[in-house]
Amino acid sequence: NAGVTQTPKFQVLKTGQSMTLQCAQDMNHNSMYWYRQDPGMGLRLIYYSASEGTTDKGEVPNGYNVSRLNKREFSLRLESAAPSQTSVYFCASSAIRGGELFFGEGSRLTVL
Amino acid sequence: GESVGLHLPTLSVQEGDNSIINCAYSNSASDYFIWYKQESGKGPQFIIDIRSNMDKRQGQRVTVLLNKTVKHLSLQIAATQPGDSAVYFCAEYLYSGGGADGLTFGKGTHLIIQP
Repeated sequence: NAGVTQTPKFQVLKTGQSMTLQCAQDMNHNSMYWYRQDPGMGLRLIYYSASEGTTDKGEVPNGYNVSRLNKREFSLRLESAAPSQTSVYFCASSAIRGGELFFGEGSRLTVL
Repeated sequence: GESVGLHLPTLSVQEGDNSIINCAYSNSASDYFIWYKQESGKGPQFIIDIRSNMDKRQGQRVTVLLNKTVKHLSLQIAATQPGDSAVYFCAEYLYSGGGADGLTFGKGTHLIIQP
């Protein structure tokens, strides 16, 4: 039972490069989320998808795009990475909007 | 905007003692609260939750108390063990028709267990 799986776990980028973080859940959850975690800042919501086919901005969406590919998968894309995007990124899912979140193990991104 | 915060960034307790981690929230209309535990290098894990129509909920060795009058949430861990060492986050959710969805997290309290 994998739960929420994120790839890659670690990535180093140069400023201006692009990349996509992948997330998949096998719990048949409707809602999926991307958070970033910075030291002393807790977790901040970047984007979420309340259900398949919909996406909405969270608290800190600038510099990111998302795609809800199907019910299982929700990807986060950085089109032109900046050092301020150095962070640990967590994908999460929930059965219902606003319900208990199940988190992946995180993806640590460093932008030089 | 509204935010969820914690009183102390670090809490150190003796193994076997009870731990109390506090959280203050500012949105009096929040409907749902969750405590998460995050161990080093891992994603947050659900510990216990409580709805706004309740003031206490108990789990295995953990109790969450909600005081809506002063907008305060606490997590009590009984007989603290070394495996309880982690960062604990409180999170709140407001059911509304618009605005950003998802839980709003506090900054976390690092619980350190002394042998």
